[in-house]
Amino acid sequence: EVQLVESGGDLVQPGGSLRLSCAASGFNFRSYWMGWVRQAPGKGLEWVTNIKQDGSEKYYVDSVKGRFTSSRDNAKNSLYLHMNSLRDEDTAIYYCARLMEDYASGSYYRDYWGQGTLVTVSS
Amino acid sequence: DVQMTQSPSSVSASVGDRVTITCRATQGTSTWSAWYQQKAGKAPKVLIYATSSLQSGVPSRFSGSASGTDFTLTINNLQPEDVATYYCQQASTFPPGLTFGGGTKVEI
Repeated sequence: EVQLVESGGDLVQPGGSLRLSCAASGFNFRSYWMGWVRQAPGKGLEWVTNIKQDGSEKYYVDSVKGRFTSSRDNAKNSLYLHMNSLRDEDTAIYYCARLMEDYASGSYYRDYWGQGTLVTVSS
Repeated sequence: DVQMTQSPSSVSASVGDRVTITCRATQGTSTWSAWYQQKAGKAPKVLIYATSSLQSGVPSRFSGSASGTDFTLTINNLQPEDVATYYCQQASTFPPGLTFGGGTKVEI
C-alpha cells in the first residue's frame, strides 16, 4: 500500500525557518517525481515544488523561489522541504504528493497524497 | 506556467442531477487535464487523468472530456457523497509545475 506521511509542521514567526519531511512507503520511491502542494486556510490548491527522481531537477512556484528548497533522500525514501524567510502568506497545509506519468498521453498527475502538515506563520 | 480558469466557483444541485464543471487553459496551451475531488478536511483524490481516463476505484458517474482548450468534468446522477470541492489541473506542460484551477464547491 502506497503511503505518504508528512511531518514537521509548526507555528513559526515571520522570517523564521522550518523543514518539512515526507516519509514514503509501499512503492519504489526513487522511480518517481515527487512534489509539494499547499493549501492556505479556506483557499485552493497551489503547487509549490516538484523534484525529479534523482534530485537533479527542481522547480518552484515563483512565490517561493529563493526561499524554499526541496530535496530527497532516496536511500531513506524521504522527501524534504526546507523553508526559509517565512511569510504570513506561507501559512497553509502542505501536502506531499507522488507524480505519475500516463505513458499513453505523456501527461502527469498526482496519484497519491499524504494527509498534510500545517505550517502557521505568525508573530 | 499554463493557467487554468475554472467555473463555476460553486454549484448547488439535487441528488440525481447532472453537474458540469469547466476549466479553460490560458497563458499557454494544455492538451491534457486531470481532476481531483477534495472532501472537507481531507487530502485531494484524483478522479480523472489524461483528460478522460477514470482512476481505478472511481465511480463511473464521473467522466472527463475536452473541446479545444476547454476541459469538462461531468458528474452524472449526483450522490450525497459527492459533496466536495473539485479542482482541475493542467497535465501537459511539465516541468515546471502542474497548476490547478481555482476549485468548484459542489453542494446538495
